[in-house]
Amino acid sequence: ETAVFQTPNYHVTQVGNEVSFNCKQTLGHDTMYWYKQDSKKLLKIMFSYNNKQLIVNETVPRRFSPQSSDKAHLNLRIKSVEPEDSAVYLCASSYWGGATLYFGAGTRLSVL
Amino acid sequence: GQQVQQSPSSLVLQEGENAELQCNFSSTATQLQWFYQSPGGSLVSLLSNPSGTKHTGRLTSTTVTKERRSSLHISSSQTTDSGTYLCAIDPSGGSNYKLTFGKGTLLTVTP
Repeated sequence: ETAVFQTPNYHVTQVGNEVSFNCKQTLGHDTMYWYKQDSKKLLKIMFSYNNKQLIVNETVPRRFSPQSSDKAHLNLRIKSVEPEDSAVYLCASSYWGGATLYFGAGTRLSVL
Repeated sequence: GQQVQQSPSSLVLQEGENAELQCNFSSTATQLQWFYQSPGGSLVSLLSNPSGTKHTGRLTSTTVTKERRSSLHISSSQTTDSGTYLCAIDPSGGSNYKLTFGKGTLLTVTP
């Protein structure tokens, strides 16, 4: 049963617009992540948060900003989207140092 | 360069046959996981196996850490096993925080 919830499932927008994606986990985990899966299906880590604190920030353009209100929520905002931002954005969670990641169903972004 | 290489890139089997998927990695990995991604896109962790052999159901993973390779064996494949199998390691050592994924093996099981 799904325990990492992402909204929206799909989003279509135009170049230059701002978008926000939401992620919530009900597993009681203290660490959350955003991954990007490109058109070639390659998954890459973008951000990791532990207890609302940013612990990993890969070389992601500054127009991407994660936002965490508590350890169960990690949102992603993209200011001024560009065509190369078209991808599936996957949220995940785990315990700190835990062996297993739990993923949400993803948000598919299309930038026209 | 690519830190995690998976082979084959795709595999077609008939139902009932066994599958052997390979994962080779170029960095020391104290964390290694196998994931399954369904045709619809949802991603599920199958096994965490940084060393040795682990079994779960019809799945067996064997990781030889010093040779930097891991395999995933699927016995008696079923059509519902069709999807992409991804191998991921943490090259920074001992955590999930920066998992690096391979490109996956696309498995198709025909009736």
